[in-house]
Amino acid sequence: QKEVEQNSGPLSVPEGAIASLNCTYSDRGSQSFFWYRQYSGKSPELIMSIYSNGDKEDGRFTAQLNKASQYVSLLIRDSQPSDSATYLCAVNMSGGSQGNLIFGKGTKLSVKP
Amino acid sequence: KAGVTQTPRYLIKTRGQQVTLSCSPISGHRSVSWYQQTPGQGLQFLFEYFSETQRNKGNFPGRFSGRQFSNSRSEMNVSTLELGDSALYLCASSLAGTAYGYTFGSGTRLTVV
Repeated sequence: QKEVEQNSGPLSVPEGAIASLNCTYSDRGSQSFFWYRQYSGKSPELIMSIYSNGDKEDGRFTAQLNKASQYVSLLIRDSQPSDSATYLCAVNMSGGSQGNLIFGKGTKLSVKP
Repeated sequence: KAGVTQTPRYLIKTRGQQVTLSCSPISGHRSVSWYQQTPGQGLQFLFEYFSETQRNKGNFPGRFSGRQFSNSRSEMNVSTLELGDSALYLCASSLAGTAYGYTFGSGTRLTVV
């Protein structure tokens, strides 16, 4: 069973702090990794993609990938109340462009003013 | 540029009925995937279509089916509805497949009574 695991939270951080979200996956051959943000009552929105080991930065967001340890993380610097949402980790399981995109159940983040 | 359009937004059906949901992907996107989202199970993959062919299928019963037309629009059908089919059904499109990330539509909220 190919799985993506996330801590369900809620993760509560004060405004301005760094929020750290983690994700592990079961399929060692996975190739593409994504972070989605989902506000309550809305559909998921792609915020980061990462394909190779290391860090990828985009504004206040940094995605980190470690394929040997099979984990992906998302750091949100200078967290804002508007970042409060559920963050979904998604992994393309071993199929190249044709693989299944498997989602974790998400981590709920709450940023307190 | 228009996003992914799903119709209808809301649907109430009776147990035993069937339902058809529609999805129009972003112009130029040839890959369309369908997901079921429930509070308990999160986002679960139903199937993916690319150029009118089903490339991948999730672990759902045969009551769930789909198709894709030559203009990349897609439909999914659920026959003999059960109470447990109540969920948010999300369609997502991608240029060529899961390696490139998805853009989600707003979803169809199906309630089975």
